[in-house]
Amino acid sequence: GAVVSQHPSWVICKSGTSVKIECRSLDFQATTMFWYRQFPKQSLMLMATSNEGSKATYEQGVEKDKFLINHASLTLSTLTVTSAHPEDSSFYICSAPFPGLAGGSTYEQYFGPGTRLTVT
Amino acid sequence: ILNVEQSPQSLHVQEGDSTNFTCSFPSSNFYALHWYRWETAKSPEALFVMTLNGDEKKKGRISATLNTKEGYSYLYIKGSQPEDSATYLCAYHNTDKLIFGTGTRLQVFP
Repeated sequence: GAVVSQHPSWVICKSGTSVKIECRSLDFQATTMFWYRQFPKQSLMLMATSNEGSKATYEQGVEKDKFLINHASLTLSTLTVTSAHPEDSSFYICSAPFPGLAGGSTYEQYFGPGTRLTVT
Repeated sequence: ILNVEQSPQSLHVQEGDSTNFTCSFPSSNFYALHWYRWETAKSPEALFVMTLNGDEKKKGRISATLNTKEGYSYLYIKGSQPEDSATYLCAYHNTDKLIFGTGTRLQVFP
């Protein structure tokens, strides 16, 4: 099946610094990628939709100036957490849609392995 | 607020037991229902994408059913094996995005 990689798998940073997370589709092109966040004991929550060649679309309540998304190519999207604070500590995971057996536009989502961010 | 509920939250079974979990989702604006299997430290793996009311899908010992009118899907595992231990996520796909449940954590003991 399709493979999505994510780097780094974990990162610890100091409060006030910025952290960049990369999401790559390794064997297919993805004009769209999704960024999710998961807090302990909660579900994956969509943060933003990354679109190649255009601006990202952010979900309500997600600060676009804090979570910068750049979809630089058809295989790479990056999420930069700017001026990170302890409350940004979370599990961040990306996904890319791939046409699945259901056909049409009901795409299967292929996920990266996620990034555990800890802000001290 | 669109809620996707999964039950039970966790499940411990013996090897060889069959088991099932439930995913409840809004019945409005339904587009598809996704099931994923997520092992610790790995990427969530797509199991099924289901679109039609009454749909049944099967992959090996794992199968799923879908009822879009009442808003639920069941995932069944026949003859559970230790390697089935994982968190099983469902996600309701409306026309806009995927909305995930919190998952059912399955542990299968030898």
